[in-house]
Amino acid sequence: RKEVEQDPGPFNVPEGATVAFNCTYSNSASQSFFWYRQDCRKEPKLLMSVYSSGNEDGRFTAQLNRASQYISLLIRDSKLSDSATYLCVVNYNQGGKLIFGQGTELSVKP
Amino acid sequence: DTGVSQNPRHKITKRGQNVTFRCDPISEHNRLYWYRQTLGQGPEFLTYFQNEAQLEKSRLLSDRFSAERPKGSFSTLEIQRTEQGDSAMYLCASSSPKVLAGDPVSYNEQFFGPGTRLTVL
Repeated sequence: RKEVEQDPGPFNVPEGATVAFNCTYSNSASQSFFWYRQDCRKEPKLLMSVYSSGNEDGRFTAQLNRASQYISLLIRDSKLSDSATYLCVVNYNQGGKLIFGQGTELSVKP
Repeated sequence: DTGVSQNPRHKITKRGQNVTFRCDPISEHNRLYWYRQTLGQGPEFLTYFQNEAQLEKSRLLSDRFSAERPKGSFSTLEIQRTEQGDSAMYLCASSSPKVLAGDPVSYNEQFFGPGTRLTVL
């Protein structure tokens, strides 16, 4: 079983749609969580950290459920520019390596 | 530009040759990481440094791979006797973990460089 699992997609949605990505992690000792965005053949860019209480940044909302070992990302009012791969990321030793999921591909169509 | 930089951006080499990549982190970051990414997969951790100390190495890092950060600033990753399976994007990241008031967790937000794409023929 992979340490971080995501549905690889692709998710094809129209502009303006709301889309949700889910992610599960296997190590209950995991401590901090992130969503990164990666455009084709580019480096991953930090989208947002996922705080224990959940957090929102504009059209993006991240939630964490430690009991179920589950992380989510909600994108509202999708834009064409949101098309990318979204990587779920876990860190369990406060400063060391990040463990990445396979990524979920999103394609927003006009 | 004050982000993470990597050189070269692309490297094509023949099997059996040695290659070396360089990473310059964000200047105030004390932690530096190397990852490898192949097509369709998320990045996989290779190794990381805190200042000049190498604190963790993945089992992916065979004895043909070596990384250094001699003065706690830039880092190099060397691959000896390259194999075709080494073809990948090599990503460097840096961080300076932060603690939020009222949150017991330290958030280690890592910022990535553009990567070095290695092709071994």
